[in-house]
Amino acid sequence: AQSVSQHNHHVILSEAASLELGCNYSYGGTVNLFWYVQYPGQHLQLLLKYFSGDPLVKGIKGFEAEFIKSKFSFNLRKPSVQWSDTAEYFCAVNPIHGAGKSTFGDGTTLTVKP
Amino acid sequence: IAGITQAPTSQILAAGRRMTLRCTQDMRHNAMYWYRQDLGLGLRLIHYSNTAGTTGKGEVPDGYSVSRANTDDFPLTLASAVPSQTSVYFCASSNSMADTQYFGPGTRLTVL
Repeated sequence: AQSVSQHNHHVILSEAASLELGCNYSYGGTVNLFWYVQYPGQHLQLLLKYFSGDPLVKGIKGFEAEFIKSKFSFNLRKPSVQWSDTAEYFCAVNPIHGAGKSTFGDGTTLTVKP
Repeated sequence: IAGITQAPTSQILAAGRRMTLRCTQDMRHNAMYWYRQDLGLGLRLIHYSNTAGTTGKGEVPDGYSVSRANTDDFPLTLASAVPSQTSVYFCASSNSMADTQYFGPGTRLTVL
């Protein structure tokens, strides 16, 4: 069974600071990788995803993530956060083959101080 | 396009009562899912369905049942609610099990 580990449970930053949220997964096969965001009081929505190709993927609102296969990592980055980025961020892994189901990390709560 | 709708938005339920949470999608997605979200535990998969007519157990299926009679609807039933089922429940759908999931607005359930 696969697992997903998000290293930071709660991150507090000031506006304009740089952000990096760690995500590591364990799975023996090929996976699709996702970051979802949940703004306060809202449902989860896709931030960005990696299926194949360029391991550096760009998502909405200036976010990007890099897939490093050798490290089983898919870290999320943003060079300069804004107050509106305050949200909970979830990393998720979906096996491509077999009957594998998606697995979400426990989430990282980001608070950006104005 | 509504995407995914869930009902009710919130519910307070007495322990021992039966409750069905409704989920409907209009994207003709094959796969659908039910998650519960609890503080500090992230999202945990309860049940899923690869396609209409099939269902499977997720990480925390005990006390819950689902059915998938058609493509659009995926109700979640709590046969006899217990306080530990107090949570926020999210329904989601995707074109395939490996694909991006689209989430509904959630149902906040409190079992007393």
